Parts: sequence; C-alpha cells; structure tokens
Amino acid sequence: QVQLVQSGAEVKKPGSSVKVSCKASGGTFNTYTISWVRQAPGQGLEWMGRIMPVYNTANYAQSFQGRVTIIADESSSTAYMELSNLSSEDTAIYYCARELVITRAFDIWGQGTMVTVSS
Amino acid sequence: SSVLTQPLSVSVAPGKTATITCGGNNIGIEGVHWYQQKPGQAPMPVIYYDTDRPSGIPERFSGSNSGNTATLTISRVEAGDEADYYCQVWDNSRDHPLFGGGTKLTVL
Repeated sequence: QVQLVQSGAEVKKPGSSVKVSCKASGGTFNTYTISWVRQAPGQGLEWMGRIMPVYNTANYAQSFQGRVTIIADESSSTAYMELSNLSSEDTAIYYCARELVITRAFDIWGQGTMVTVSS
Repeated sequence: SSVLTQPLSVSVAPGKTATITCGGNNIGIEGVHWYQQKPGQAPMPVIYYDTDRPSGIPERFSGSNSGNTATLTISRVEAGDEADYYCQVWDNSRDHPLFGGGTKLTVL
C-alpha cells in the first residue's frame, strides 16, 4: 500500500522560505508523478506544481512561477517543495499527492503540512 | 474548461439523496474526478473519470457528466458523508489540474 508521509508543521517569517518533504513508501517512486496542492484556511484546493522523478522534470502553476521549486530524491523516495519569499497569504496546508498517469486524478495524498507565515 | 463552478453548500436529510454539481464549459467532454474532504483530513477520491468508484467507496456514491454539468450523487445519505466535495478536471491547454471551489455537504 503506497503512502505519502509529509514533514511537520512550520512557522516562518515573511520574506523567508519553507521546504516541505513528502516521503513515499510501499511503491516504486520513480514511476509516480507527485503534485503539490495547497489549501488556505477555509478555502479550496490550489495546484502548485508537479514532478516526474524518473525524468526529474517539474512544471509549475503560473501563479507560483519563480517562487516555487519542486525536486525529487529517488534514493530516499522523497519529493520536496520549496516556496520562497513567503507572505501571510501563503499560510496554508500543503499537500503532496500522487497523480495517476492515465486518469490524471490524485489517488493518494499526504497528510498535509501546515505552514504559518507570521511576523 | 478554465473555471469549474460548484454550489457553496448543499443540505440533505439523512436517508435522502444529495446532488452536487460542477459546472464548466463543455465539461461533458472532460473526465471529471470527485474528492471528499472531511475536517482535518486530506482529500480522498470518491469518483474517477465521471463514474468510476475507487476501491472501498460505497455504491451510494455515483457520478455523471454531460453538457456543461458534472454531477456527484450520494444516495441514502449518512451523517458520515458530511464533508467538503471538490470536482477536478485536467486543463489540457495548461497541462495542469483544475479544481472546483468545493461544496460543503451538510447532513441535517
């Protein structure tokens, strides 16, 4: 059974960066595509970007271009999402999710990582 | 579709049928996925590609998609179905997923 386990909650200052990890277990990591989706308090789901570890290529939502970097470490089956130049509007729960290749749906989600940006 | 429109809230009595819609331009030609999100939990898929239920999802959950509206139907609603529900399609023009704004299902 594939599981995605994310790193713990973070509190950051405005202008700083945060890096969240997503460790996969129970499957073949380099066959996945991993997306990052965030959810601001009381709000809906917003896709940020994705990575295909086997190709080590990432693409990003336009609204996050230049601020987000997604990488994958096959040796540890871990994906990372780094978001820079944080503001209070980045306070949210950040999820990683596995994307099914054919259907382009997300079948497995991490438990979420709360990132709070506060001075 | 560039925008997916869902009602903010739907209320239904236990045992009745809940219908949650997802509107989008020609959404009927897309594959629509539905997710359930309970408070404090990550989203979980309940319908793939318009009508397919993932393993473990009760038959009470069903979906349809035609024209400009996709629909998630929950029959014989139970208290445990109370959650937020999101629709999702793949935006081929931008090669990324698009989510609806979410619908809060309240079981009266």
